Amino acid sequence: GAGVSQSPSNKVTEKGKDVELRCDPISGHTALYWYRQRLGQGLEFLIYFQGNSAPDKSGLPSDRFSAERTGESVSTLTIQRTQQEDSAVYLCASSFFPNTEAFFGQGTRLTVV
Amino acid sequence: QKEVEQDPGPLSVPEGAIVSLNCTYSNSAFQYFMWYRQYSRKGPELLMYTYSSGNKEDGRFTAQVDKSSKYISLFIRDSQPSDSATYLCAMGDDKIIFGKGTRLHILP
Repeated sequence: GAGVSQSPSNKVTEKGKDVELRCDPISGHTALYWYRQRLGQGLEFLIYFQGNSAPDKSGLPSDRFSAERTGESVSTLTIQRTQQEDSAVYLCASSFFPNTEAFFGQGTRLTVV
Repeated sequence: QKEVEQDPGPLSVPEGAIVSLNCTYSNSAFQYFMWYRQYSRKGPELLMYTYSSGNKEDGRFTAQVDKSSKYISLFIRDSQPSDSATYLCAMGDDKIIFGKGTRLHILP
């Protein structure tokens, strides 16, 4: 595709449910990043994938959060047992290599009720 | 000390003025620097990318990096109401770390 695609664009879930967010990076991009943006706040780093290397998970806020990426394709971010404080926009970005320009999707707006 | 510091604003300037947005950082390992613009309820849009000290110009935008001072700037010339948005600085060596963003209002 022409850009980074994220789905769903909006998700409302009940507290305690699990959710799965999807990111389709730009074709050929080896690096993929997930960020969380709470209302009126900056971007909080969650996890970074680079090719087949072990991901940098240092930003994941708790063990309820996990992410996978198969090769250089789609990534999924899973949040288990969602809490109200998980409500935020989850943004995905990809870049051709590390240290090159990163392009963002439009995000998934998650609301936990 | 946070890795990247950015004044959240809001910053209000009249149309046509030159806007100066700044970030400081503490990690000397950062190799590359970016500026993003984010409109409300949209994803960040890449404006400028640079990996060396000095200036880089693109249209009305100029990015400036001073690695010795760990200081980066974005200048917007002839500012327009459509430039009203949140501007995020970003930098890294592999993963990308963002500033908290500066809200900019251009007053017609």
